[in-house]
Amino acid sequence: DAKTTQPNSMESNEEEPVHLPCNHSTISGTDYIHWYRQLPSQGPEYVIHGLTSNVNNRMASLAIAEDRKSSTLILHRATLRDAAVYYCILRDGNNNDMRFGAGTRLTVKP
Amino acid sequence: SQTIHQWPATLVQPVGSPLSLECTVEGTSNPNLYWYRQAAGRGLQLLFYSVGIGQISSEVPQNLSASRPQDRQFILSSKKLLLSDSGFYLCAWGYGSNQPQHFGDGTRLSIL
Repeated sequence: DAKTTQPNSMESNEEEPVHLPCNHSTISGTDYIHWYRQLPSQGPEYVIHGLTSNVNNRMASLAIAEDRKSSTLILHRATLRDAAVYYCILRDGNNNDMRFGAGTRLTVKP
Repeated sequence: SQTIHQWPATLVQPVGSPLSLECTVEGTSNPNLYWYRQAAGRGLQLLFYSVGIGQISSEVPQNLSASRPQDRQFILSSKKLLLSDSGFYLCAWGYGSNQPQHFGDGTRLSIL
C-alpha cells in the first residue's frame, strides 16, 4: 500500500468544525482512501472511505483533492467524544490487507 | 446484523506459556479475517489475514501463528510466549479494499 502522512496531533474546540489532513502523493489509481478512528482502549472504528469523489455520511465528510494526492476528513461539529486517534489509510484494490500508520491524535477542548 | 466477538478481554500469561486467542464473526459469510497487534502507545501492526478457510497470509515472521478452521472463526496461537508479545490484539473482518473493516473489542495481553 502507498504511504500516508498525517500530523501527529491536532486540537479543536467543542462544537467547531475539524479538518484532518492526509497526504498521499504516491497514491495509485486503484487505491481507496479509508479513515478510521480509535478511542482509548478500544478497537478502531470505521469512519468513511472514498475513491475519487467527495463522500458524506452521518459521522463525517471526506474531501478528496482532484489529483487524489491528498484528502481531508471533516468533522462538522466536534464533540468531546470525537477525541481519538484518526488514521488515514490507502487500500489497494488488488490487495486484501490494510496497514495503519501513526495517525493524528485529536484533542477536543470544551 | 454482523457482530464480531473476541475473548478474553484481558489475559496475563507467564513467559514461555502457550497462547490461544479466538475470534468469531456472526451474521456474515466468507469474510476476510485479520489479526492486528498494537504495542503500548503505538499504531496497529497487521499480523495475519485470511481470505478463506485454511488460507493464512503472514505479515510478520515471529513466534505467533494463525488458523482458520471454520469460515467465521480465526485463532491466534503461540507455543511459547515472549515478553515482546505483550500488547493489544485486535481481530477484524471485511470484504476487500472498497469495504470497511470492522474490529472487535480486543484482547489486552500482558506477559510476566
